[in-house]
Amino acid sequence: SAVISQKPSRDICQRGTSLTIQCQVDSQVTMMFWYRQQPGQSLTLIATANQGSEATYESGFVIDKFPISRPNLTFSTLTVSNMSPEDSSIYLCSVSIGAGGRNQPQHFGDGTRLSIL
Amino acid sequence: QQPVQSPQAVILREGEDAVINCSSSKALYSVHWYRQKHGEAPVFLMILLKGGEQKGHEKISASFNEKKQQSSLYLTASQLSYSGTYFCGTARFGNEKLTFGTGTRLTIIP
Repeated sequence: SAVISQKPSRDICQRGTSLTIQCQVDSQVTMMFWYRQQPGQSLTLIATANQGSEATYESGFVIDKFPISRPNLTFSTLTVSNMSPEDSSIYLCSVSIGAGGRNQPQHFGDGTRLSIL
Repeated sequence: QQPVQSPQAVILREGEDAVINCSSSKALYSVHWYRQKHGEAPVFLMILLKGGEQKGHEKISASFNEKKQQSSLYLTASQLSYSGTYFCGTARFGNEKLTFGTGTRLTIIP
């Protein structure tokens, strides 16, 4: 499996500011995903980060609020814009790795614990 | 729509068995199972593709009934290290996008 580095690991931010979260993988991967996990809750997919094209967002998530970049096959960023206390959560990146084509396991970064004051 | 897992939480003594169920209202292509310990990232356990297959991983195995759109995770002779929250992740097509279930918190006590 790949080594996935996510930065920062945690942050405390002021209302109205923005934070960019980085996800770096030690090998080239096709699929990268961004999730949000509220404390004690399940994981909710924000978007699929596509290399060389715009990210694909899930219902309830928009590009203006969560802009995503994917400049190459090993790196992606998620920005949480104009933050409010409701954005306090854990944000996780994951990658899908495998040579078998579709439906490969997803492996997760350690997450970014974000608190908005 | 989010898959529903049952039970929501279970407490077992070391050595006991557990079954965690995952039910979807939609047809599924595959089911993934993950375990997440408190404060850590989810860890992949296994994946099951449609066809009713059953897989095993040490003392943890799973089945997938595509007709019923259900999957079950079986933990036998549970160990303390099995404690955590278990999530199923379902894919409706072979595009690797997963919808995660509601989660089952498993606590193993000595």
